[in-house]
Amino acid sequence: DQQVKQNSPSLSVQEGRISILNCDYTNSMFDYFLWYKKYPAEGPTFLISISSIKDKNEDGRFTVFLNKSAKHLSLHIVPSQPGDSAVYFCAASARRGSGSEKLVFGKGTKLTVNP
Amino acid sequence: GAGVSQSPRYKVAKRGQDVALRCDPISGHVSLFWYQQALGQGPEFLTYFQNEAQLDKSGLPSDRFFAERPEGSVSTLKIQRTQQEDSAVYLCASSLSLSSADTQYFGPGTRLTVL
Repeated sequence: DQQVKQNSPSLSVQEGRISILNCDYTNSMFDYFLWYKKYPAEGPTFLISISSIKDKNEDGRFTVFLNKSAKHLSLHIVPSQPGDSAVYFCAASARRGSGSEKLVFGKGTKLTVNP
Repeated sequence: GAGVSQSPRYKVAKRGQDVALRCDPISGHVSLFWYQQALGQGPEFLTYFQNEAQLDKSGLPSDRFFAERPEGSVSTLKIQRTQQEDSAVYLCASSLSLSSADTQYFGPGTRLTVL
């Protein structure tokens, strides 16, 4: 049973346009969400995070939106650049009282930004 | 500064062999995590240390998997009597502490292939 779902295996956008990557979760105990970017043969690189007490967090070209009632989050990249081409993983953790900060990951979405 | 390092980067083992995978976390990071990433999947949690204490090993798939971090720094993941289904990328991550918003930083991973 997948607790974090990324339903789009791939996404292709033109350079300069907006990229929107989506993620859904089922566990209402999740209270911290992260996006990681992964290039081939490298480990995941942290991109941006959001706590469940917020509904938006912005860092440069990257913005993450959280809709707790819908158990949905999205990552917006504006404007998209060819160097953004990578696999993006959504991850979540349940920090309150869990005693463990393990991350639960989605399967990833491969983003291709075309010049 | 130095990130998380893992060795070896690639390991080929014959079925039934024992393997040991090493992780050097970022200096001063209290928490250390191991994840397993199968082809086409997101990373899946294996085990977690706070300093030398193994606080969560709920993700270890069988008793053939063993992890240690005896001095609260370097960690080793050992797999005994390897099976073909153990073939995956093994990722190590570290974070600064157990405070509420610590990001996990990942190493490049060890790709294990069991023949």
